[in-house]
Amino acid sequence: NAGVMQNPRHLVRRRGQEARLRCSPMKGHSHVYWYRQLPEEGLKFMVYLQKENIIDESGMPKERFSAEFPKEGPSILRIQQVVRGDSAAYFCASSPGTSGSRLSYNEQFFGPGTRLTVL
Amino acid sequence: GQQLNQSPQSMFIQEGEDVSMNCTSSSIFNTWLWYKQDPGEGPVLLIALYKAGELTSNGRLTAQFGITRKDSFLNISASIPSDVGIYFCAGRTGTASKLTFGTGTRLQVTL
Repeated sequence: NAGVMQNPRHLVRRRGQEARLRCSPMKGHSHVYWYRQLPEEGLKFMVYLQKENIIDESGMPKERFSAEFPKEGPSILRIQQVVRGDSAAYFCASSPGTSGSRLSYNEQFFGPGTRLTVL
Repeated sequence: GQQLNQSPQSMFIQEGEDVSMNCTSSSIFNTWLWYKQDPGEGPVLLIALYKAGELTSNGRLTAQFGITRKDSFLNISASIPSDVGIYFCAGRTGTASKLTFGTGTRLQVTL
């Protein structure tokens, strides 16, 4: 039973380029969350999506960042015109939502992350 | 915004020792979670707590949900070298919503 998959694991971009980060949730999970982690810090929530819907984007920067979770295919976190401050590890997590019979089954399970470096 | 403070920030212990770390918040949470993160990897869920006062174990790990709903602690008994890593607490206020992560406790185990 594959876990959350993210690709690429490492991504290098020059300032001004676009970065696309992909996340495939665990089988049967319909909720996806994106978090950002700076070195030596905890994870910071960015956005919460269900299929074709953005539920909570309170942690997303107002400009240059967008996320989607289409009906088919992985969730995408897109960063336009990257700057050096965007360098971080970006983690995706998935959960089945509230449909599980056990509370612990509804928890978020994390992928291995994408490490973005902006030169 | 909500903040979770973890202490200690880092600790060096010897193999076989017990470890205790805690997490405090200025806000109330209705779920507390503990994750472990190894270098270059994503966080792995260790324990989930859903009721104030709840005490839950997972092998050598024991965690408690504080009765004020503003704190939680994690104990690791008889530490082993593979316990090395960063331990994060996380809190949630809804049933299917964002997690607020703590600042992390870095654990190093010496032989």
